[in-house]
Order: sequence, then C-alpha cells, then structure tokens
Amino acid sequence: AQSVTQLDSQVPVFEEAPVELRCNYSSSVSVYLFWYVQYPNQGLQLLLKYLSGSTLVKGINGFEAEFNKSQTSFHLRKPSVHISDTAEYFCAVSEMNTGFQKLVFGTGTRLLVSP
Amino acid sequence: GAVVSQHPSRVICKSGTSVKIECRSLDFQATTMFWYRQFPKQSLMLMATSNEGSKATYEQGVEKDKFLINHASLTLSTLTVTSAHPEDSSFYICSARLQGAVNEQYFGPGTRLTVT
Repeated sequence: AQSVTQLDSQVPVFEEAPVELRCNYSSSVSVYLFWYVQYPNQGLQLLLKYLSGSTLVKGINGFEAEFNKSQTSFHLRKPSVHISDTAEYFCAVSEMNTGFQKLVFGTGTRLLVSP
Repeated sequence: GAVVSQHPSRVICKSGTSVKIECRSLDFQATTMFWYRQFPKQSLMLMATSNEGSKATYEQGVEKDKFLINHASLTLSTLTVTSAHPEDSSFYICSARLQGAVNEQYFGPGTRLTVT
C-alpha cells in the first residue's frame, strides 16, 4: 500500500524568500502525485499534479514540483513566497492498482510566511 | 467550473442525534464522490467512496451503520452521522470526481461538526 511522508510539519519563511516543501512517497506500482493547498476552515484546492511526461510540473500561484522516481520524491517549490501563501499544504498519491481512484494524503506542512 | 458545495458549513448537535451533510457538484456530473474526515491539525482520512446508484465502499475501520452514505444522483451525495457522539466531532470534507477524468477530484469547503 502506498504512503506519503511530509517530514516538515511547519516551515517558517520570510516574504519573497524561496521555499521548498518536501514530500516522499512509498509505492511498488505506478503512481500519480498531487499537491493541494488548504486555507483555514476550507476544503482543498489543487495546486498541481503529476500524471506522466515531464517530471517538472508547474501549477497555480507560481508553484512547481519535480517528480524524482529514483528518490521517490515530489517536492514543492516556489521561488518567492507571499504572505497570502500562508496555508496548509498536502501531498497526495494515488496508485495504479486502485485504478488511481483513491488519494492517500500526507500529514501536511504548514507554511508560515512572515513580513 | 468544477465547483463542489457542502451544506451545512457548520453544525452543532446534541449527543445521540443524527446529522446529515450534503455534498453537491454544482456544474458537473460526478459518478464518484469521496468522503473524508480531518481531525485538527491532521491530514484527511478517506472514510468512504460513494458511487451513484450503488452502495458506498467504506474504508477499513469506518462503521458503515454509523456513517450512512447515499449517492442518489450524479450531483448529490449525503453523509448522515447517526447517533452522534462527541468523538465524532470533526471536519468532514467531500470531493467529487469529474466524470471521465483521471482521478481529478474537486473538494468541497468542508463541514465542521461539533457534538455536545
């Protein structure tokens, strides 16, 4: 069964600084990978996804992520963050043997952007 | 496009009563909807997968008699928490999968349930 690890529970960063949120997954089959953002008391919004093809995926709000199969990682990056990026970020994976139907989420990383 | 709504956004109920939460796909048809539960400062845990016109598939450890799911149409799924207890207090989030899309799930804004 797949699992997702987000090692950093919280990442503090200053405005306009770059940021990387780490995500590693474990699976023995092909996977699809996703990053979602959650603002307080709201549902999840899809930032970006990797299904196939180019390993560098660009998403909304200036975020991008790179799929590294050998390291089983899908880290999220942004070159310059804004105060409004403060939120909870979830990495998720779905496996081929579930028909890519189910999403398994990591525990989340809280990004705290300060002035 | 691809908007999912949930109603109510917040609900407080007394222990022992039942609460129904609605999940609607507003501008698309969803053959499959998912129900998640999120505890404070924790991740989303899939509770069940709801398919239109058939019985829901529950994840291991989720009581199907306590969390009743109905997916009567392509745009509506409901979750009823029966005989609620304080430990059922949580944030419940639904998502809907775009018909024909490859695991493209769109999430509702969530419902915060507080059982007193």
